[in-house]
Amino acid sequence: GAVVSQHPSWVICKSGTSVKIECRSLDFQATTMFWYRQFPKQSLMLMATSNEGSKATYEQGVEKDKFLINHASLTLSTLTVTSAHPEDSSFYICSARDPGPRDNSNQPQHFGDGTRLSIL
Amino acid sequence: SQKIEQNSEALNIQEGKTATLTCNYTNYSPAYLQWYRQDPGRGPVFLLLIRENEKEKRKERLKVTFDTTLKQSLFHITASQPADSATYLCALGSYNDMRFGAGTRLTVKP
Repeated sequence: GAVVSQHPSWVICKSGTSVKIECRSLDFQATTMFWYRQFPKQSLMLMATSNEGSKATYEQGVEKDKFLINHASLTLSTLTVTSAHPEDSSFYICSARDPGPRDNSNQPQHFGDGTRLSIL
Repeated sequence: SQKIEQNSEALNIQEGKTATLTCNYTNYSPAYLQWYRQDPGRGPVFLLLIRENEKEKRKERLKVTFDTTLKQSLFHITASQPADSATYLCALGSYNDMRFGAGTRLTVKP
């Protein structure tokens, strides 16, 4: 089945550091990938939709200069948390939809295993 | 505003019983509804998808119903096992706009 790989799984770094998270679709091409943020015991909150070859679409309230998204190929999207601060500590999860041969819009999303980001 | 509510934060049941989880939504007309399982520290795993024109869908011990009049979906796990313990998320949406409920944490006790 479709697999999405996310790396790294855990990051601990000092305040002010920029952190890059990678999301790869391993056995399918994804023109669109999604980035979510999840706080403990809360729902996944969509941060942005990453589109291959074009600018990402950010949800209201998400700072695009703070959370840089690059989707340079059909199998890789990256999220960079710039100048991270303790309030950016969270669980970040990416997902991608395998459109299938007919680009079926009802296909489920496949999620990575998330990145636990801790800013000291 | 659009809301997705899962009936309870936590549900405890005895092994062998049927677990029933509820997902209600308002101000939304989703093309489909999905259920995911999430284990601690892991990403969600897709379980079932049901379209707006479908009433019920089954997969092994899982059953999902979708009532667009009541704006509700029920998710059932029959003959529950301790291994079914996890958080279950419902998600509604369309192609590029999928929103999640907060989830229900299911604990199946042996």
